[in-house]
Amino acid sequence: DIVMTQTPLSSPVTLGQPASISCRSTQSLVHSDGHTYLTWLQQRPGQPPRVLIYEISNRLSGVPDRFSGSGAGTEFTLKISRVEAEDVGVYYCMQAKQIPHTFGGGTTVEIK
Amino acid sequence: QVQLVESGGGVVQPGRSLRLSCVASGFTFSDYSMHWVRQAAGKGLDWVAVISYHGMNKYYADSVKGRFTISRDNSENTLYLQMNSLKGEDTGVYYCARGPSADYWGQGTLITVSS
Repeated sequence: DIVMTQTPLSSPVTLGQPASISCRSTQSLVHSDGHTYLTWLQQRPGQPPRVLIYEISNRLSGVPDRFSGSGAGTEFTLKISRVEAEDVGVYYCMQAKQIPHTFGGGTTVEIK
Repeated sequence: QVQLVESGGGVVQPGRSLRLSCVASGFTFSDYSMHWVRQAAGKGLDWVAVISYHGMNKYYADSVKGRFTISRDNSENTLYLQMNSLKGEDTGVYYCARGPSADYWGQGTLITVSS
């Protein structure tokens, strides 16, 4: 199975400051169809998960442009350019390249 | 807009069965694979199963293989998860998500397996 490792576990951030979350996979996530199935999800307290970014860097419609994704192969990053109060929650990366699909353990973003 | 609405959750005794449904709208359901993902209270996300767009290919997590069956009815835009021989560790919120990237998720339905 592909193991997804997220760092840090927790990220206390000052409002208006940037935040960055890393996700590393134990295998390349490039699929034979040429796509890289790496998704970033946000889960606010008490809410279901919501996808922010799919295929490394594609922002879903309605997602603020302060969220951006980058990376390739086995190393990926989610960046929030200026953290807002509504960004508090747990962030997960997920790979859908190989069965079983697997998630990172989550990174909690909180306000200092 | 894309909408996924799960239903069928509830409290069930260990060893019993339950069937979940996920009704899709706002996109061409038959064009997409579909996933089930679950989350125990206070825990992370756990992928359960995926079904291809036509329903011919199905894959499961080892933890549910042989007990759960994923299926779909493209004429009804509906995804299903038949859960048999339920265990306490199956307790959690079950979400359906649109494949292949799981880019849209439903609100989830809660399953509690308890005697």
